[in-house]
Amino acid sequence: AQSVTQLGSHVSVSEGALVLLRCNYSSSVPPYLFWYVQYPNQGLQLLLKYTTGATLVKGINGFEAEFKKSETSFHLTKPSAHMSDAAEYFCAVSAGAQKLVFGQGTRLTINP
Amino acid sequence: NAGVTQTPKFQVLKTGQSMTLQCAQDMNHNSMYWYRQDPGMGLRLIYYSASEGTTDKGEVPNGYNVSRLNKREFSLRLESAAPSQTSVYFCASREWTGNTEAFFGQGTRLTVV
Repeated sequence: AQSVTQLGSHVSVSEGALVLLRCNYSSSVPPYLFWYVQYPNQGLQLLLKYTTGATLVKGINGFEAEFKKSETSFHLTKPSAHMSDAAEYFCAVSAGAQKLVFGQGTRLTINP
Repeated sequence: NAGVTQTPKFQVLKTGQSMTLQCAQDMNHNSMYWYRQDPGMGLRLIYYSASEGTTDKGEVPNGYNVSRLNKREFSLRLESAAPSQTSVYFCASREWTGNTEAFFGQGTRLTVV
């Protein structure tokens, strides 16, 4: 069975600062990993995904994530935060069967 | 392109009432999902359907039933609503293979009083 743990339910950074959102996964087979973003009162939209190949994955809005198999991690980063990045972010894993399992979410606040 | 459409968007139920949440996708996807979102709990999988004619339990199936009516539609039924089922419900769909992204509906905000 697969699972996801997001460290930190709430992260606060200053505008222009580095954003780092942490995600660790558990899977008995090679995983597919995803980051989604949710803006208030909306559904989820895909930021980026890792399937196979290059372990550094670039997504929309300047976000990227690195798959580290040895650490079972898939942390999300952005070099310089913007006010429009304020949202809730979810890490998800899909492995083997068709289940798609999400973490608890991290709410990102950007301080002016 | 409508994508994933959920109805209704809002609903208030009394304890013990029943209702069905509807979901339809127009992307010809094989797999469909129902999640509930609660503060601090993230999205928890209720049921999923890997393909037309199949359904499987997720993490929190108790109190719910589902029907994969055809390839486009996947409904979620609450037979006897309880206050603990107050939540935001999301439907999602994606292609058969596990490496594809899921597309989400806008959600149904359900309150059980």
